[in-house]
Amino acid sequence: EAQVTQNPRYLITVTGKKLTVTCSQNMNHEYMSWYRQDPGLGLRQIYYSMNVEVTDKGDVPEGYKVSRKEKRNFPLILESPSPNQTSLYFCASSLSVGPGIRFFGPGTRLTVL
Amino acid sequence: QKEVEQDPGPLSVPEGAIVSLNCTYSNSAFQYFMWYRQYSRKGPELLMYTYSSGNKEDGRFTAQVDKSSKYISLFIRDSQPSDSATYLCAMGGGGSEKLVFGKGTKLTVNP
Repeated sequence: EAQVTQNPRYLITVTGKKLTVTCSQNMNHEYMSWYRQDPGLGLRQIYYSMNVEVTDKGDVPEGYKVSRKEKRNFPLILESPSPNQTSLYFCASSLSVGPGIRFFGPGTRLTVL
Repeated sequence: QKEVEQDPGPLSVPEGAIVSLNCTYSNSAFQYFMWYRQYSRKGPELLMYTYSSGNKEDGRFTAQVDKSSKYISLFIRDSQPSDSATYLCAMGGGGSEKLVFGKGTKLTVNP
């Protein structure tokens, strides 16, 4: 089944404790991105990657890191999480670069205490 | 002026009603227009997309784009309780990789 998977789905952590949210897609997509979704603010792009080893900042990159060492994986790293990073996170992938159709993962609910 | 504006609702309708959801945008370079449906605690899923002005129909759903007015709509005919979700418009184009999302309209269809 073609899909985008994320792990973990739910995470409660404390301020300053490094964490990684994994994202993997099995559709051989070139483009992958991370979004956060907050009430009243909608979906905001954190980082995106047009292909392996090429990443760039989205609208809200502060406090996040990413890497794209393999085509299928695009982990999101929070090196020192803070409470304002409490949010619902979505990974998405697309067959090609450009404003095309995004396939979204199921989401990761992160709470930083 | 925000790039994309979408009324957050909430919108509550009886089963069988025709639902109209709308977004306006300011960037005339946008060429790609999409509607996503998001159920509670799930990721957005693509519902409809179009790359031109006019109407596109898929079952009970019709997407309408009016580029001259910078206005897009999604119509749902014979709405069902299973249509209860948040609907997000999204658009992009003009040389940017970026998709810009509306904030979503929460729809409830009451049996």
